[in-house]
Amino acid sequence: QKEVEQNSGPLSVPEGAIASLNCTYSDRGSQSFFWYRQYSGKSPELIMSIYSNGDKEDGRFTAQLNKASQYVSLLIRDSQPSDSATYLCAVNEDNAGNMLTFGGGTRLMVKP
Amino acid sequence: NAGVTQTPKFQVLKTGQSMTLQCAQDMNHNSMYWYRQDPGMGLRLIYYSASEGTTDKGEVPNGYNVSRLNKREFSLRLESAAPSQTSVYFCASSEQGLTDEQYFGPGTRLTVT
Repeated sequence: QKEVEQNSGPLSVPEGAIASLNCTYSDRGSQSFFWYRQYSGKSPELIMSIYSNGDKEDGRFTAQLNKASQYVSLLIRDSQPSDSATYLCAVNEDNAGNMLTFGGGTRLMVKP
Repeated sequence: NAGVTQTPKFQVLKTGQSMTLQCAQDMNHNSMYWYRQDPGMGLRLIYYSASEGTTDKGEVPNGYNVSRLNKREFSLRLESAAPSQTSVYFCASSEQGLTDEQYFGPGTRLTVT
């Protein structure tokens, strides 16, 4: 049973729209949260890290963390076709010896 | 800086053969990791090395061994390959430890027949 859950998608959004990707986790002791982007056939690329409740913005990307509700989300503003990829949520789980646990990923498709 | 490099990029093995996957990083990171990625299973940690001279098991260590050769290099060995080890293998590194941001290499696609 995966402790980090993501909707596998695909999530389809039109170019220029906001894409909203969600991730829930089960370990209340988790302290570190990461979003990775993975293009088909390539390796995961770190986009954002977030450690505190609230929002963290970096360019067109915003990560949101709510520890009370145990979810973390990634918003992509002004989505571009080049954003089409699989987005992986990763959580540093205290009850897994602090190892990173990855969700299965959400496939995002941005249509021109 | 090359970041994290891995060799080889592709490999085909027969059941029972052995091989070593090589990983090196030039970011002066202390911690290094080996993951495998399978369809429907996501990324799973095989082994990690929190610092030079130490190694620890991850979620799926059976059938693998690792060596932290020095601060830069971390190798993964399959002693007797099995079809269940067909996967894409990624090496990663982080500056300080498990709670830090991890940076991934390009991966090795391994097929065991």
